[in-house]
This record gives sequence, structure tokens and C-alpha cells, in this order.
Amino acid sequence: QVQLQESGPGLVKPSETLSLTCAVSGYSITNAYYWGWIRQPPGKGLEWIGIISNGGITYYNPSLKSRVTISRDTSKNQFSLNLNSVTAADTAIYYCARDLRSIVQPMDVWGQGTPVTVSS
Amino acid sequence: EIVMTQSPATLSVSPGERATLSCRASQSVTNNLAWYQHKTGQAPRLLIYGASTRATGIPARFSGSGSGTVFTLTISSLQSEDFAVYYCQQYHNWPPWYTFGQGTKLDIK
Repeated sequence: QVQLQESGPGLVKPSETLSLTCAVSGYSITNAYYWGWIRQPPGKGLEWIGIISNGGITYYNPSLKSRVTISRDTSKNQFSLNLNSVTAADTAIYYCARDLRSIVQPMDVWGQGTPVTVSS
Repeated sequence: EIVMTQSPATLSVSPGERATLSCRASQSVTNNLAWYQHKTGQAPRLLIYGASTRATGIPARFSGSGSGTVFTLTISSLQSEDFAVYYCQQYHNWPPWYTFGQGTKLDIK
């Protein structure tokens, strides 16, 4: 059974970098598929941030591309999100998910989400 | 960017009744359309992909239809656990730029 678990600081100061990690169990991230990040600001809908492939290729939301980096640590079977120069608008619940885009299917397994607040 | 528009924003339905949720894409996404159920404090749950295929373990009372730009999620007989927010999502673009609708909140009437 595939499980994903987000972790990271719940509070980040404005202009600093938000860093989150998604630990994956039950499936190797190098085996297949894509692995992604999605967020939900308070009172708003879901926003796709980006994905990393099993081979390490990344794709990002064009509206966030200049500030986002998704990377992976294959030895720990986890992938990470870095979002720099954050503002209050980046306050959200951040989710990681497995993305089955390579077989033309959507995100099928999600983590529980981790809340992040941007505030001084 | 493909804009996804859901209607209505809120739908009040009694348990046992049918609920019909709509989703419209600003351009064709063929059948690359998914529906998710989301409850506060929980992970979003994939219900439907390919516009009409139920994900693993999803009860038969959930059904999806449509193609191109107009899609529908129908819940045939609402159970208490079905009251949640529902999102549609397109995964049509390549390179990917997935977009979600703004959600429909399904309330108990």
C-alpha cells in the first residue's frame, strides 16, 4: 500500500524559503510515475505546484516556476519542495501526491497535507 | 491555462437523493478529467478518472460522464459520508499544467 507523508516547518518568515519533504512508503519513487506537490490556500481551491518524474525530470506551474524547485533523495525514497521568496499568499496546506500521468491517469494517492503559515 | 469552472458552488441535498455536479473546461480536455472528494483535514480522494472510470474502491453510486468541455459527476443516492467538497481537475496539457475547478460543496439539506 502506497503512503505519502509530508513534513516540514509550519511557520516561515516572509522572503525566506519554504522547504517541505514527502516521504513515500510502499513504492519506490524511481520505479515509475511522477511525484508532485499541490497546495490549498485558506478558503480557496487546489493549486498544482509541480511534479518530478521517476527519472528526476521536473515540471512546474508556470505561475510559480521562478520560485519553485522540486528535488528528490532516492536513498531515502522521498522528494522535496523548495519555494523561495515567500509571501503571505503562500500560506496554505501543502499536499504531496503520486501522479500517474505516464499512464494518462491523475493523482491517485495523496498525503494528509501539512499546513504552512508565512508570517513574521 | 485551461480554466475549470464548477457549478453550483454549494449544493444542498437530502440523504438518499441524487446529486449532480457540473464542471466545464475553457477548452477541450478530451476525457482527461478527474473528480476528487475532499473532507476537511483529510487527503483528497480520487473518485473518477478518464471522465467516467471509477477509481479503485469507489462505490458504484458515484458516476462520471462527459467529454471535451462539459462534465458531470452524479451521486445516485447520497450517504452521510458523501457530504464534502468535490473538485474536478484536468490533466490534459503536456508539458503538464494541471488545473482544478474551484469546488462544489455538497451540504446536507
